[in-house]
Amino acid sequence: DIQMTQSPSSLSASVGDRVTITCRASQSIRSYLNWYQQKPGKAPKLLIYGASSLHSGVPSRFSGSGSGTDFTLTISSLQPEDFARYFCQQGYTTEKTFGPGTKVEIK
Amino acid sequence: EVLLVESGGGLIQPGGSLRLSCATSGFTFTNYEMNWVRQAPGKGLEWVSYISTLGNTVYYADSVKGRFTISRDNAKNSLYLQMDSLRAEDTAVYFCARFAQRLSALDNWGQGTLVTVS
Repeated sequence: DIQMTQSPSSLSASVGDRVTITCRASQSIRSYLNWYQQKPGKAPKLLIYGASSLHSGVPSRFSGSGSGTDFTLTISSLQPEDFARYFCQQGYTTEKTFGPGTKVEIK
Repeated sequence: EVLLVESGGGLIQPGGSLRLSCATSGFTFTNYEMNWVRQAPGKGLEWVSYISTLGNTVYYADSVKGRFTISRDNAKNSLYLQMDSLRAEDTAVYFCARFAQRLSALDNWGQGTLVTVS
């Protein structure tokens, strides 16, 4: 099974900050890496697919990069509505493993 | 509008059974593979199960293999999860999620249904 890790597990940032979250796979998943945003009590929402493609309707301040085993989600200028939990997920195998998540909190 | 609506959750004793349903609308259900994903209280997301468009290929997480059964009724645009031999560690919100093959990602999710095993 492919294991996914994320860092940090949580971070505090201010509105306008640039935020970077990293995700690592235990083996190469090529570019089959997705990012989701989840707010409390809500279902996850797809942000980025294929490591770097922005899903429909997602603001351009979100971007993704990476391939193989190491990936990054960047929020270029944090907005109040971006305070949430972010999960990476590998789409390489049928067992679509998620990372443990990164909570982005208000400083 | 794509809609996925789960139902069937509730409080169940250990060893019991429960059947979750996911009613869908707003898209051609038969064209999409489907998944169940769960989230224990305060925890992360755990992929649970997958079913192909025709229902003839299914996969399960090791944690539920042999106890859970995924199925679908394409005539009713609905997805199901039969959960047997439930354990306390199965307590979670269960989400159904549509898999977009072109994106290789779960692009639409239901709001979830809470299963409490106690």
